[in-house]
Amino acid sequence: GQSLEQPSEVTAVEGAIVQINCTYQTSGFYGLSWYQQHDGGAPTFLSYNALDGLEETGRFSSFLSRSDSYGYLLLQELQMKDSASYFCALGAGSYQLTFGKGTKLSVIP
Amino acid sequence: EAGVVQSPRYKIIEKKQPVAFWCNPISGHNTLYWYLQNLGQGPELLIRYENEEAVDDSQLPKDRFSAERLKGVDSTLKIQPAELGDSAVYLCASSLDRIGQTRNTGELFFGEGSRLTVL
Repeated sequence: GQSLEQPSEVTAVEGAIVQINCTYQTSGFYGLSWYQQHDGGAPTFLSYNALDGLEETGRFSSFLSRSDSYGYLLLQELQMKDSASYFCALGAGSYQLTFGKGTKLSVIP
Repeated sequence: EAGVVQSPRYKIIEKKQPVAFWCNPISGHNTLYWYLQNLGQGPELLIRYENEEAVDDSQLPKDRFSAERLKGVDSTLKIQPAELGDSAVYLCASSLDRIGQTRNTGELFFGEGSRLTVL
């Protein structure tokens, strides 16, 4: 099976940079995705890494190291609207997408 | 382009009653997923369809849950009878193809979810 570990909560100051880590265990790897979910809303896709390295999309970047079974999401120039839950999701096994338990990010003034 | 549409958004029922949720995926998306999300947790897969075929339903409690995807488009998830522990948000998602295929970039498109409260 697959398992993912990510911190349950992170607090950061508006304008700062925050990194949310994700470690995983799996057999058969396709890629690691990141999703954002505001309270009461739908999960929305942020980024996807199938290969090692950094992917950048505006203020958000995602990194993957397959040899370390590790990835992270980097959020720069934090804004209040970035307060949400962030999930890493593992594409592996029998074509499943398995989600972590999520990291609740609180951005404070 | 319309997104994934789910209904109802909210449903309150008493235990032992039946309930059904409906999902209309994005046009052209072959793969459809039903996830369950408990408060403060990540989505957990219940069932995955490729076109009209249920290819992964290992996490679906088949004694009370059933699902169908007629003609490979809309899908319905049913619970009968509902139990108190079924209170959760039921999320439907779709993607062009399954994870690992060339056209899949790891992106699932989610609906707003159906929030079920069982009293």
